[in-house]
Formats: sequence, structure tokens, C-alpha cells
Amino acid sequence: EDKVVQSPLSLVVHEGDTVTLNCSYEVTNFRSLLWYKQEKKAPTFLFMLTSSGIEKKSGRLSSILDKKELFSILNITATQTGDSAVYLCVLNRDDKIIFGKGTRLHILP
Amino acid sequence: SQTIHQWPATLVQPVGSPLSLECTVEGTSNPNLYWYRQAAGRGLQLLFYSVGIGQISSEVPQNLSASRPQDRQFILSSKKLLLSDSGFYLCALARGYNSPLHFGNGTRLTVT
Repeated sequence: EDKVVQSPLSLVVHEGDTVTLNCSYEVTNFRSLLWYKQEKKAPTFLFMLTSSGIEKKSGRLSSILDKKELFSILNITATQTGDSAVYLCVLNRDDKIIFGKGTRLHILP
Repeated sequence: SQTIHQWPATLVQPVGSPLSLECTVEGTSNPNLYWYRQAAGRGLQLLFYSVGIGQISSEVPQNLSASRPQDRQFILSSKKLLLSDSGFYLCALARGYNSPLHFGNGTRLTVT
């Protein structure tokens, strides 16, 4: 059965800390792995990863995919209170889109 | 750029009443459209997806149905709501199978 497992389920850190969110998967033949940030409303798109070993960066956020070890990580450096959200890992196959349950990140001021 | 309109933002309905949630998109044609539900404290559950007018695939059998009467319109319906239908309903689109999903702002439904 296809699985996307995110860890930790929740994380509380202080502003300025660096966090690493993990996504491991048991999915074959997927086209891309995506990361989303969900605050109180709809998820917003962060990154799409298709190739192994190529880091994507956007400001303080970065992500990388390892297709050999079947995982991806999302790094956030110098965290701010606005980074508090649920972060979703999603695998995109032709026939379905598989969501992880998310990591709830809370940044303390 | 594409825009997804969902309404209403919040809805409170009694058990047994009908439901109609509408999603319309702008800025793209022939998108793949999706209805997701997120129950409190749980992940996103795919309910329906559509690759074109009149084409609906159901992922989870339940008392909900979906229709796509026009290319940019996706409707989620129920004849009789259950308490378990409460949740956050999200419409999403993707331009193709390898494009990111983009979400509407969602409808928070409470069935009382």
C-alpha cells in the first residue's frame, strides 16, 4: 500500500532555531514530491521535487529528495513565528496524489 | 495566473439537509479538478477528481456526489448530510498530472 509518513508529527521550537521536517515514503513510480504549508486555511505550494539530490531553495526554506533512501526533507533556518503551520508532504503519481498527515510546527517567540 | 473561487467560506447545516458547494476556476482551461476533505486533526482525504467535463472519479464511497457541468466548474453535493460530513472542504486544480495542486480557500462545513 502506498504510504507517505511525515515526522515528527509536531514540533515546538524557539524563534531563530533551525528545523528539519522529514517525509519518508513507500510509493513507486511517482512523478514528483511536493511540499505545502497550511496555516488556518488552504495549503500553499512550497516546492516540487522531481530529481534526486537537487536542492530547491526559497529564502529560508530548502528541500531535497533522496530517491535511493526514499525520503525528502524540508529545512527552515532562522525560524520566525510566521513559519508556524502544518507542513504537508505530497507524492504525485499519474493515477493518484498521496498526502502525508503533516508535521505541525509551532514557533515560540 | 489561475484563481480558484470557493464559496461559501463557512456553512452550518442541520443533519439531513442538502448540500451544494461550488468551485469555479479562472486563468486556465481543461484543468484536473479535485475535491478534498480535511476532518479536524486529520489529513487531507481525496473525495472526487475530474479530468474533464462530465468525468468524475470517486475515491471514497459515501453520501456525497460531484459534478462538472462546465470546464471550470466543479460542484460537490449531498442529498442528506450526516454529522460525519463536517469538515474543511477544499477544491483544488492541477494543470496536468505532474503539476502542483493549487487550492481554493476552502469551505468549513459544520453539520449540527
